[in-house]
Amino acid sequence: GESVGLHLPTLSVQEGDNSIINCAYSNSASDYFIWYKQESGKGPQFIIDIRSNMDKRQGQRVTVLLNKTVKHLSLQIAATQPGDSAVYFCAENIGGYQKVTFGTGTKLQVIP
Amino acid sequence: DGGITQSPKYLFRKEGQNVTLSCEQNLNHDAMYWYRQDPGQGLRLIYYSQIVNDFQKGDIAEGYSVSREKKESFPLTVTSAQKNPTAFYLCASREQWGVGSDTQYFGPGTRLTVL
Repeated sequence: GESVGLHLPTLSVQEGDNSIINCAYSNSASDYFIWYKQESGKGPQFIIDIRSNMDKRQGQRVTVLLNKTVKHLSLQIAATQPGDSAVYFCAENIGGYQKVTFGTGTKLQVIP
Repeated sequence: DGGITQSPKYLFRKEGQNVTLSCEQNLNHDAMYWYRQDPGQGLRLIYYSQIVNDFQKGDIAEGYSVSREKKESFPLTVTSAQKNPTAFYLCASREQWGVGSDTQYFGPGTRLTVL
């Protein structure tokens, strides 16, 4: 299988509990942020995004929080399910620029 | 069925050989990207293209080449000059303009192994 999860920080969560995955971003000028989910052997899948003029955005079972003061982003997953097991990573971008900076990721393990 | 396709899923290459990875998208996106992913590391940008017949080097372009002759296609060639080519390669695309245009969408990836 895909080995992208090796050597990553791991978060183990009981099925049904809420998960919080954190990300520190690097560039204070970044104004657009994305969370991706990557399952073993697959390409990253878009989950949710947020722009810097917001500090919270909700999707289906997921919430992203943005704290620009400390350059911190978090992804909250409600009622975590076994299918949520994957590597999650954040990405930051300055609007209009082509280059996106990706974090190294956090591996989420859901315990049935 | 719209999206980004990459082929093959797995590719094996002997040292000293060039190999080309395919990336096709039918999303009508202008911009396309190639990334390399190694265990425990973030995605690293190899090349990107904002428009047909134009492409730019990313952070780790040495040993790679690309072409963008058609809007929907952005093949990546891994040359024998690439010293450590074994990795998972990801292609992405993005709308150039408009609402939601900052988001990159990824293909399923190609795992290249050099024997």
